[in-house]
Amino acid sequence: SYELTQPPSVSVSPGQTASITCSGDKLGDKYVCWYEQKPGQSPVVVIYEDNKRPSGIPERFSGSNSGNTATLTISGTQAMDEADYYCQAWDSSTVVFGGGTKLTVL
Amino acid sequence: QVTLKESGPVLVKPTETLTLTCTVSGFSLSNARMSVSWIRQPPGKALEWLAHIFSNDKKSYITSLKTRLTISKDTSKSQVVLTVTNMDPVDTATYYCARMSQLTGDGFDVWGQGTMVTVSP
Repeated sequence: SYELTQPPSVSVSPGQTASITCSGDKLGDKYVCWYEQKPGQSPVVVIYEDNKRPSGIPERFSGSNSGNTATLTISGTQAMDEADYYCQAWDSSTVVFGGGTKLTVL
Repeated sequence: QVTLKESGPVLVKPTETLTLTCTVSGFSLSNARMSVSWIRQPPGKALEWLAHIFSNDKKSYITSLKTRLTISKDTSKSQVVLTVTNMDPVDTATYYCARMSQLTGDGFDVWGQGTMVTVSP
């Protein structure tokens, strides 16, 4: 079955840029979505179709996807961005989530 | 306003069958651009997709649990139902239903609040 691999944790200083990767075989041939989940809350989509932001999502969130790796980038990271982030893609009519990355804003 | 709300038992015993209902509002389950998935999350762990149902009633399931899962919908009631047979303590999790929209690149644009299910004797 298809797998998406994320680093378990990423740390960033306030105001700096955070990058979270998601790896999978030929992932660049698929559309990737990214979700933010804060403690006790349901996930929220922050990026869809690799690099599109839903309305209401700050411009500091951006995404890219090429080859075997998709990347979520948060520019000017704020304390409020501390959360778990999950990548997601479709493969053979099934949905796959990555294992999640805990973003810590130090 | 689009909302999804999960309902079902809080506690089930091992070997029992779990039945969860997702009641949606603000869109129709017959809308070809919309469909619904069930996703679960064990305490402190990652999201795990379980099943999906499209407007044309096409269904898909996670391979590892396919024999235990059934997803269905009642468009007139705006409900999507998931049954999970032979429940085990490892199935303890928060169960979410989420809408998938072609308008957001087949991403899950609206999630329910989730319902916590504990499996214990």
